[in-house]
Amino acid sequence: AQSVTQLDSHVSVSEGTPVLLRCNYSSSYSPSLFWYVQHPNKGLQLLLKYTSAATLVKGINGFEAEFKKSETSFHLTKPSAHMSDAAEYFCVVPFTGGFKTIFGAGTRLFVKA
Amino acid sequence: DAMVIQNPRYQVTQFGKPVTLSCSQTLNHNVMYWYQQKSSQAPKLLFHYYDKDFNNEADTPDNFQSRRPNTSFCFLDIRSPGLGDAAMYLCATSRDLPTGSGYNEQFFGPGTRLTVL
Repeated sequence: AQSVTQLDSHVSVSEGTPVLLRCNYSSSYSPSLFWYVQHPNKGLQLLLKYTSAATLVKGINGFEAEFKKSETSFHLTKPSAHMSDAAEYFCVVPFTGGFKTIFGAGTRLFVKA
Repeated sequence: DAMVIQNPRYQVTQFGKPVTLSCSQTLNHNVMYWYQQKSSQAPKLLFHYYDKDFNNEADTPDNFQSRRPNTSFCFLDIRSPGLGDAAMYLCATSRDLPTGSGYNEQFFGPGTRLTVL
């Protein structure tokens, strides 16, 4: 069965310091994986997606993620946090054989001035 | 710009009074989804349409219904809202699953926040 686990419910960083949001997945094969961001009272926006073309994926707003099959991880990183990065982040894996997706529980990112 | 639009952005209704939320898209995507998202939780899929083919999640209450009169529009009807139905409702779209090239992402609207008094 497929599943996705976001290891931290909350992450707090100072502006200008690196961001690391952790995601582990469980799948019997190499899946597609997505990271979405949700700002307060807004819809979800795609940050980046992995579809097996390259293990290091670059997304919008300076975010990137690396797919590591050996560790079943797809952690999201950014070298330098900005105040506007404060939001909820969801790691998502598509459900095999259909249109549904499986969401992680989300990680709330706080950015301190 | 191609997009997913939800109206209204904020909806207040009374306990037990039917309410309809709407979603439209200019992306011409085959698949449309409705999610319910409660505070500090991940979105929960209620149902989705593949063209006119309706797919209900097993745990979606009967109180929730949906209509898709054409490719562009999809509606969420809550027949008798309860206090527990207060939430953000998100509409999303995606293309067909392409052959051999992975899964397409979903495009989300801004959501409708429903308050039940």
